[in-house]
Amino acid sequence: DTGVSQNPRHKITKRGQNVTFRCDPISEHNRLYWYRQTLGQGPEFLTYFQNEAQLEKSRLLSDRFSAERPKGSFSTLEIQRTEQGDSAMYLCASSLRGAETQYFGPGTRLLVL
Amino acid sequence: EDQVTQSPEALRLQEGESSSLNCSYTVSGLRGLFWYRQDPGKGPEFLFTLYSAGEEKEKERLKATLTKKESFLHITAPKPEDSATYLCAVQVRRAGGTSYGKLTFGQGTILTVHP
Repeated sequence: DTGVSQNPRHKITKRGQNVTFRCDPISEHNRLYWYRQTLGQGPEFLTYFQNEAQLEKSRLLSDRFSAERPKGSFSTLEIQRTEQGDSAMYLCASSLRGAETQYFGPGTRLLVL
Repeated sequence: EDQVTQSPEALRLQEGESSSLNCSYTVSGLRGLFWYRQDPGKGPEFLFTLYSAGEEKEKERLKATLTKKESFLHITAPKPEDSATYLCAVQVRRAGGTSYGKLTFGQGTILTVHP
């Protein structure tokens, strides 16, 4: 399967704990995006990378959230000191520069107790 | 601020009953409008990209159209397997002609097709 993959698919954590999610984009896609989706809403943009560079970050993104793409391939999204309001589906997408269609992974569903 | 509004929020159809979903948008400069399908618990699946007013694209029972203010997703003779949430998203054009990367999504239309 050459699609976008995300791990883990599900994560349950206690409030105050740190969590990290991983995204592996489609091979050779140099743009990688993170979105968050809550029940009944469309995905909301968090941040995106072109190769290793983080080019845009949502103003809504708390400083508890950090994302990296150290070698321009996979990316990680870390949430520190999780809160119940962080419970959501975290989606990753990738695209080729110049061909802007974004292809999404299956998501990581986070539940903060 | 870029805004995308989809209507209706939910739509129930009988198998074979054709209908349309609406996506209204307000953006500074449209680079592209995207339609996705999302099944419960899964990531969005790409359907179409439209770039300019008057453009139309088709795939099986689905047809997407675009005007300067809105897009329609027409579903002809739907089947139960077309049941899903349909998401519309816009990508904005930057002053130099390139695009901002992010997509701004509407809240989606939940389509249910009964046999």
